[in-house]
Amino acid sequence: DTAVSQTPKYLVTQMGNDKSIKCEQNLGHDTMYWYKQDSKKFLKIMFSYNNKELIINETVPNRFSPKSPDKAHLNLHINSLELGDSAVYFCASSQVGLSGNTIYFGEGSWLTVV
Amino acid sequence: AQSVTQLDSHVSVSEGTPVLLRCNYSSSYSPSLFWYVQHPNKGLQLLLKYTSAATLVKGINGFEAEFKKSETSFHLTKPSAHMSDAAEYFCVVSTNTGGFKTIFGAGTRLFVKA
Repeated sequence: DTAVSQTPKYLVTQMGNDKSIKCEQNLGHDTMYWYKQDSKKFLKIMFSYNNKELIINETVPNRFSPKSPDKAHLNLHINSLELGDSAVYFCASSQVGLSGNTIYFGEGSWLTVV
Repeated sequence: AQSVTQLDSHVSVSEGTPVLLRCNYSSSYSPSLFWYVQHPNKGLQLLLKYTSAATLVKGINGFEAEFKKSETSFHLTKPSAHMSDAAEYFCVVSTNTGGFKTIFGAGTRLFVKA
C-alpha cells in the first residue's frame, strides 16, 4: 500500500487555468505538507497542516490554496496558473514523536504550464 | 537559527568505489538529521536518520552516516557504489523549537560511471 499518494502524477495545462492536486496519506500522521521542487531540485515548503489546521504558510501567491477535509487528506488548488508555476509538487506527511519529525513523501506531481 | 549545507552540488564515482556525500549543519538546538534519496521522476525516499541515539547510523542500500557534533557534520558514505545509486541526495536538519522546523539542503547529484 502506498503511504502517501498524490494525483495526478503528470499535469499539462494552459496558462490561466485552475487545477487541483489531491493527496492522501494512510500512515495515521497528524501533519501534512506541500513542497515545491524547482528545476534545480531545490525543495521549498509551501504549506503545513496539523490536524486539519494550517500551521505553516510560507510566502506563496494566494493563487495557491490548500484544503484539508480531514487529517488524512491535503489537496492543493491553484488558480490562474502561470508559466512560473511549472514545477514538481510533493505532498508529504509526518508524525512528531520521539524519533524526531521524519517526513514521508509522495511520488510527486509534475505540473507543466504552457 | 538552523541551516544545512551540502558541500558538493555533484559527485562522480566509478562503480565499485566508495561514495562520500558531505553535509554540514548549523543548529541552536539538538537536531535530528536525515538523508533522503530521489531517483529520476520519483519522490524522496528516506535513507537514514539520526535522532540522538547512536552516532553511526546505518540506512538502506548499504549507506551509512556518522553524526559528528564537534564538526557539525553528517556525511553520507557507502563502501562500494552501484549503478543504481545514481540519484539526487538531500541532507535534512530538523529541530523542535516549540514546533518542528525542517530545512532541506540544496542536494547533491551522484553520478556513477561504469
